[in-house]
Amino acid sequence: AQSVAQPEDQVNVAEGNPLTVKCTYSVSGNPYLFWYVQYPNRGLQFLLKYITGDNLVKGSYGFEAEFNKSQTSFHLKKPSALVSDSALYFCAVRDKTGGFKTIFGAGTRLFVKA
Amino acid sequence: SQTIHQWPATLVQPVGSPLSLECTVEGTSNPNLYWYRQAAGRGLQLLFYSIGIGQISSEVPQNLSASRPQDRQFILSSKKLLLSDSGFYLCAWSEGGQAYEQYFGPGTRLTVT
Repeated sequence: AQSVAQPEDQVNVAEGNPLTVKCTYSVSGNPYLFWYVQYPNRGLQFLLKYITGDNLVKGSYGFEAEFNKSQTSFHLKKPSALVSDSALYFCAVRDKTGGFKTIFGAGTRLFVKA
Repeated sequence: SQTIHQWPATLVQPVGSPLSLECTVEGTSNPNLYWYRQAAGRGLQLLFYSIGIGQISSEVPQNLSASRPQDRQFILSSKKLLLSDSGFYLCAWSEGGQAYEQYFGPGTRLTVT
């Protein structure tokens, strides 16, 4: 069965500092991996995805994520945080052989302090 | 470009009343469509997904149902709402075929009283 873990309910970082939001996953086959962001009372917005190829993927708003197969991780990173990055972040996984069902993590709330 | 619409944005309904939430997508053909429920601003629970007209897969047994009467229209319904149906309902679409990332609508905040 597919699963996603976001071990931190909340991450606090000062503006200008690097940020990392952690994600680990479990699938029976090779994964498709995604990050989404949600602002208050809004739908989720797609940030980036890993399908195949280069383990470091770049996405919207300066975010990037690194796929680590041995550690089954897909951590979200940004070199310099902005106050406007404060939001709820979701990691998601889909098994390449598992149809269209995507499993979302519980979410990590990011607070960036000025 | 593609656009996804959901309505209404907010809804307050009494227990036992019916429900109909509508989602439409513009600018694409034969999308995969999804209904999710998000409780307490956290994780998403997949309720239904559809890969074509009349093709609905249910992930969670409950008093909700979904229909896809047209290619780009997805409707979430209930005959009798329960208090536990309160939540934030999100519709999403993805490209047909490979179905990579999903694009979400603005959501409907449902409160059952």
